[in-house]
Amino acid sequence: NAGVTQTPKFRILKIGQSMTLQCAQDMNHNYMYWYRQDPGMGLKLIYYSVGAGITDKGEVPNGYNVSRSTTEDFPLRLELAAPSQTSVYFCASGTGGAGELFFGEGSRLTVL
Amino acid sequence: QQQVKQSPQSLIVQKGGISIINCAYENTAFDYFPWYQQFPGKGPALLIAIRPDVSEKKEGRFTISFNKSAKQFSLHIMDSQPGDSATYFCAARPGSARQLTFGSGTQLTVLP
Repeated sequence: NAGVTQTPKFRILKIGQSMTLQCAQDMNHNYMYWYRQDPGMGLKLIYYSVGAGITDKGEVPNGYNVSRSTTEDFPLRLELAAPSQTSVYFCASGTGGAGELFFGEGSRLTVL
Repeated sequence: QQQVKQSPQSLIVQKGGISIINCAYENTAFDYFPWYQQFPGKGPALLIAIRPDVSEKKEGRFTISFNKSAKQFSLHIMDSQPGDSATYFCAARPGSARQLTFGSGTQLTVLP
């Protein structure tokens, strides 16, 4: 019972590099989310998706891109990495409405 | 108006004591108020949730108290245990929205 799987768990990037954080869920959830967590700042929504082919911006989308080609996968792309993108990134999925969100274990990204 | 303000930022409690974490909101359209618990190195997980049609919800040692007129809700952990040491996030969602707004988090330490 994998739930939400994120890869990689850790990554160090140089300024200006690009990378993709992978997220996959096996619960057949339509809703998927990307959050970033910074100390004392809580969880900030980057992007979300309500189904394959549908994505929308959250609170802090600048510097990121997403795609949702299948129900299972929701990758987050970082273009031209900046030190401000140093954070822990969490992917989550759910059934929508007042349903529970299921989170992955996070991807810790450091941009130097 | 989408903010959820959480306090305190950190809390230290002796084993057996009561831990209290408070959250306040402005948006009267919020109609779902969950609390998430996060252990180090893990993603947040749903702990307990309440809707504004009730003033209190209890699940084991965890209780949510809700004050609709004051636009405040709080988490009470009775008989706190060292295993409760974690970061706790309150959250809220308006009925029309597809995503949660999280508070800034409270790091709880329960001393043995």
